Order: sequence, then C-alpha cells, then structure tokens
Amino acid sequence: QVQLVQSGVEVKKPGSSVKVSCRASGGTFSNHAIIWVRQAPGQGLEWMGGLIPPFGTPFYAQKFQGRVTMSTDESTSIAYMDLSRLRSEDTAVYYCARAGARLVLYYYEDWGQGTLVAVSS
Amino acid sequence: EIVLTQSPGTLSLSPGERATLSCRASQSVSSSHLAWYQQKPGRAPSLLIYGASSRATGIPDRFSGSGSGTDFTLTISRLEPEDFAVYYCQQYGQTFGQGTKVEIK
Repeated sequence: QVQLVQSGVEVKKPGSSVKVSCRASGGTFSNHAIIWVRQAPGQGLEWMGGLIPPFGTPFYAQKFQGRVTMSTDESTSIAYMDLSRLRSEDTAVYYCARAGARLVLYYYEDWGQGTLVAVSS
Repeated sequence: EIVLTQSPGTLSLSPGERATLSCRASQSVSSSHLAWYQQKPGRAPSLLIYGASSRATGIPDRFSGSGSGTDFTLTISRLEPEDFAVYYCQQYGQTFGQGTKVEIK
C-alpha cells in the first residue's frame, strides 16, 4: 500500500505563499486522483480540490479558486499544493489524499500525515 | 451543493457498547456515493466505509455502514478502546459532515 509523505511544518506571514509537498512512497499516483483537504484547529474537514495525474486539469473548490494551485511531478511521484495570499484563517493542517480511482470526486483511501501551516504576523 | 448533517455531535459510550452514528444529506446521494472516515487526535483521517456499506481494506467487521438516498448510518457493534475517535461522513467529493465524536463514558 502506498504511503503519502508530506513536507514539514510551515510558519508564514500574512500575504505570503506556501507550497506543501506530498510524496508517494512505495507506489505512484498512477490511476488515482490526488486531492487536498485542510482542517483548521478544532474544526472539521474542508475539501480544497484535486487533480488526476499526470495531465488532468485541476478542479478547485470555489472558495479557493484564484488562490490555490495544485500540480504533480510524475518523475518524482510528488504532488504539490500552493496557496497564496495567506491570511490567519488559513492556519490549518493540510492533508493530501489519494482517491480510490482516477476520479477527483470520490472516496479517499490513502492519506498523508498532514502538514501544519501557521499564518501569523 | 449537498449538505451533510451528522448526529449526534457527541456520543458518550462505554467499551463493549454499540454505537450508532447518523449522517443525513440535504439531497439524495447518488448511487450510495457515501464514505465514512475515522480520525484520532493528531492523526490523519482513515477510510472505514465506502459505497455506503463496503468496508475498506483491513477494517474489522464490527464496523458496518448502511443506508441510501438521504439517510446513512455507521454502526460499531461493540466498541473497542481504539474506536473512541471522531467520525466523518463524506459524499463523494467536496462535502464532509461536521463529525461525530465518540467518547468514553
């Protein structure tokens, strides 16, 4: 079973950008969509968007359109989520997950360990 | 957009008891495209149930899912100590319920 390994904690200033990575260990992204979900402290799960590697057009939740960019690098089996114009409300743990098929809107069977992004002045 | 409402918000039970968690959708969920996840503190969610009633790989049979249309249920037949956690339902894609916390009574 593939393991998704995410990059480490990020501390950012308001207005800056963050790029979180998600590497597939022991497997690839092939035949599976990759999505991103975030969880603010003490809150529930919020779906951000996803894409189907290697060339699928990303599909973003309306809330994040214009601020988020998702991509994958098939040569290294790494997925990226870039969030710009950060504000304090973006403080959350960000998870990547692999769908059960090549469908962005599906169930998610493998999850990364999460990356804490803290936005503070 | 479909809204998922989970109830109760918190369920206080003892090990060995049966847990029944509800997930109600604001519109019919097509083809039983509903999943359940378990999340323990400080950990990522993990898939329990997909297709409303199919257990994910390695999930013990004390976990079962049922329902269709707008009403879905996750049942834990006999709670083990490791089952105390937060449970989320998800309509395939963008929508998650707000979660039900199963805590030790």
